[in-house]
Amino acid sequence: DAKTTQPPSMDCAEGRAANLPCNHSTISGNEYVYWYRQIHSQGPQYIIHGLKNNETNEMASLIITEDRKSSTLILPHATLRDTAVYYCIVRVAKSFGGSSNTGKLIFGQGTTLQVKP
Amino acid sequence: KAGVTQTPRYLIKTRGQQVTLSCSPISGHRSVSWYQQTPGQGLQFLFEYFSETQRNKGNFPGRFSGRQFSNSRSEMNVSTLELGDSALYLCASSFWTGSTSGANVLTFGAGSRLTVL
Repeated sequence: DAKTTQPPSMDCAEGRAANLPCNHSTISGNEYVYWYRQIHSQGPQYIIHGLKNNETNEMASLIITEDRKSSTLILPHATLRDTAVYYCIVRVAKSFGGSSNTGKLIFGQGTTLQVKP
Repeated sequence: KAGVTQTPRYLIKTRGQQVTLSCSPISGHRSVSWYQQTPGQGLQFLFEYFSETQRNKGNFPGRFSGRQFSNSRSEMNVSTLELGDSALYLCASSFWTGSTSGANVLTFGAGSRLTVL
């Protein structure tokens, strides 16, 4: 699985958009980009994923550059409840034909996002 | 639908004891993965089970073991507890069709916090 690089921390004003960057310069063509977040002392929560195209759901938007070497998670209107550690993970979708990494995620240190009033 | 349920939520053990943690996945999810989270090492993959078989294993000593039952519920066991085993143990489940394409999203439980004295 490709290695990711994220800034250790970021601040965002409440109500403003939070843009969290992630570099994954060694990503392969079949590797997905996933974002999870972890609010203090809770289990990680899935946010969004993408392969090539930009994606949007009720929680966030994911912008992937054309060369796929980096991406940005956008929380359009950050609230205090969005304060958390955000993890960017890239991994390949594999079948259970033999060895499989489908349940294995390699978490880095993530970005601690502090939303301030 | 109900999420991933982990029991117990908190427990305290002493060095040398053993502990068993339980995980009930989301109904219909057949893949269960376990993670250990400590302040020093972050989130680390322990192992993954699918159809009662261990499919993948992280870099942990043999004191850490697990199993999965026919109803997809899973348990993990840590024997001969050490102080360094104090951690948040997280279970995640996913619905995997075996397809070679598509993404695979993990849903995490709230975790079991183990303190070893």
